[in-house]
Amino acid sequence: DTAVSQTPKYLVTQMGNDKSIKCEQNLGHDTMYWYKQDSKKFLKIMFSYNNKELIINETVPNRFSPKSPDKAHLNLHINSLELGDSAVYFCASSRQGVNYGYTFGSGTRLTVV
Amino acid sequence: KQEVTQIPAALSVPEGENLVLNCSFTDSAIYNLQWFRQDPGKGLTSLLLIQSSQREQTSGRLNASLDKSSGRSTLYIAASQPGDSATYLCAVTDGNQFYFGTGTSLTVIP
Repeated sequence: DTAVSQTPKYLVTQMGNDKSIKCEQNLGHDTMYWYKQDSKKFLKIMFSYNNKELIINETVPNRFSPKSPDKAHLNLHINSLELGDSAVYFCASSRQGVNYGYTFGSGTRLTVV
Repeated sequence: KQEVTQIPAALSVPEGENLVLNCSFTDSAIYNLQWFRQDPGKGLTSLLLIQSSQREQTSGRLNASLDKSSGRSTLYIAASQPGDSATYLCAVTDGNQFYFGTGTSLTVIP
């Protein structure tokens, strides 16, 4: 009964490919997020969705496109993968924005070769 | 823009010691502050959440304090154990997103 689940856990792919990472939460939260953790372990927000509506879209290349089919799912699609996209991507969720704190998924380690 | 700093970046202590991790943030207009633990290759586990109106929260051997006006928080770990070894991250929110510090890597030596 994982609260926030991401798939896949590991993803190794070649440059130029298109890939997707899926995220699902069963907490009934209204808001979901994608964060990127770089090689120095710094976490930076990429996107935030509230009830399927895009709230935050930080300076992220438009090769990254989030998709929220319903408020329990927020998937991340990446086109034309580049070496610099290699990182760990975390999905998170919260109730009504962030006033109640985050619950994180276990992360997806993306390696572009 | 909010900036979150954590000191020290790394800490190594013998088992049984009490220790303090520090977090500072530049903009005091926050809604809450959350401390997380991250084990190598794993996700983030929430430890404590302090609302902006609160001054501290406790869970077991962990105690987190918040001084919003000075932009500081501390995480106190009592009687440290080898299982406490991990990276500890603090994050503050402005109501839209959390801003993370770069973490303190803690090693507790048996």
